[in-house]
Order: sequence, then structure tokens, then C-alpha cells
Amino acid sequence: DQQVKQNSPSLSVQEGRISILNCDYTNSMFDYFLWYKKYPAEGPTFLISISSIKDKNEDGRFTVFLNKSAKHLSLHIVPSQPGDSAVYFCAASASGNQFYFGTGTSLTVIP
Amino acid sequence: GAVVSQHPSWVICKSGTSVKIECRSLDFQATTMFWYRQFPKQSLMLMATSNEGSKATYEQGVEKDKFLINHASLTLSTLTVTSAHPEDSSFYICSAKPTWGYGNQPQHFGDGTRLSIL
Repeated sequence: DQQVKQNSPSLSVQEGRISILNCDYTNSMFDYFLWYKKYPAEGPTFLISISSIKDKNEDGRFTVFLNKSAKHLSLHIVPSQPGDSAVYFCAASASGNQFYFGTGTSLTVIP
Repeated sequence: GAVVSQHPSWVICKSGTSVKIECRSLDFQATTMFWYRQFPKQSLMLMATSNEGSKATYEQGVEKDKFLINHASLTLSTLTVTSAHPEDSSFYICSAKPTWGYGNQPQHFGDGTRLSIL
């Protein structure tokens, strides 16, 4: 049973525009959410996180939004750059233990 | 900071061979490390949680005797795929959760090991 879902397997965005990646979860006990970026043949790299006490966390061009009532989080990248092209995984955990990952969204930023 | 080294990055070996993969946290201590397996175009599947000084906790459907995990120190966990067969071919990734700090901490991943069994 997939507790964390990324329903869009791929996304293409023009350079300079906003990229919005979405993630839904089913477990209401999740209280910590993360986004990872992954290039081919490499391990995921931690990007940004948010705890359930917040609804927004910002780090440079990356902002994560959390809507607990909808069990939905999103990652905004503004402005998008070609180097942002990668697979993005969202992950969630309850009390920081086991992490559950989504299936990933492949982002392509077109120059 | 928070660098995780995984070795080897790629292994090709004959069926029946046992393969050991190492996962090291280079600049932090990790009481807990995780082993994942990723199939093409699929998500990371947690195989087991490795705790320093104690037995690993395996996820349902993962054979303990097939995938031996040892976490002998706060910076090293190993995964040994015993008597590997072609169906064990996959991308194996480890992650480590820092011992330091308060509250939630992200896991930091190694670069993975591509295992190909002929």
C-alpha cells in the first residue's frame, strides 16, 4: 500500500518559470516531510523538509508547502533552471523513524 | 557535511557469488542506517533498518538469510547479498540518520550500488 503518492511521473517546465511538484499522503500520523532530488546512478540528495507544525518552509529558490487537512504537500522551484532537471522524491515519516517515499517525478527544465 | 559513502558503486558477478556492500557515514555518527532497493522507474523500497550494536529490522518479504546486515560501528553498516542470483540484480542504496541534533533529521543517502548478477 503506497502511503506516499506522486501522481505525476514527469513534468516539463521552461527555464525561468515555476516548477510545482505535488505529493499526497494517506497516513495522518506523518509529521515530517522531505523532498529529495536524484540524478541517474546517484543516491538521492536531501533538498528541503517541513514539519507538521508549519505550512511553509523556504530555502532559496525552493519552497515546500504543506496542507495537512488535504494531506498534500508541494515543492515550488522558482525560477527553474536546467540544472534542476532530475527526479524528485517526496518522503514522509512519523516521528522521524521509517521514511516512506513516493514514486518520484522526473522534472525537465527546458532551456 | 553529512556525507555518506557507499562502496562499491557497481558490481558484476556470477550467480551464486556473495556480494558485500559497505555504507559509511564520513563526517557524522549514525545509530541508524537504512537499506533500500530501487527497481527501474519505481520508488525506493525499504529493505531493512540497521541499528548499531543490534539486529537489523527487516521489512515484510525481505529474506533475512539472503540479505545479511551488520552495523558494527556508528559509521559503518554492511549489506551482504548471499548466493546472489539474477533476480537480485538491482540498485541498492543506503542512507544514514545522524545521531546528533534534536527533533527530526533527514536521512542522507549514499550514491548506491548497481548490482548485476550474470
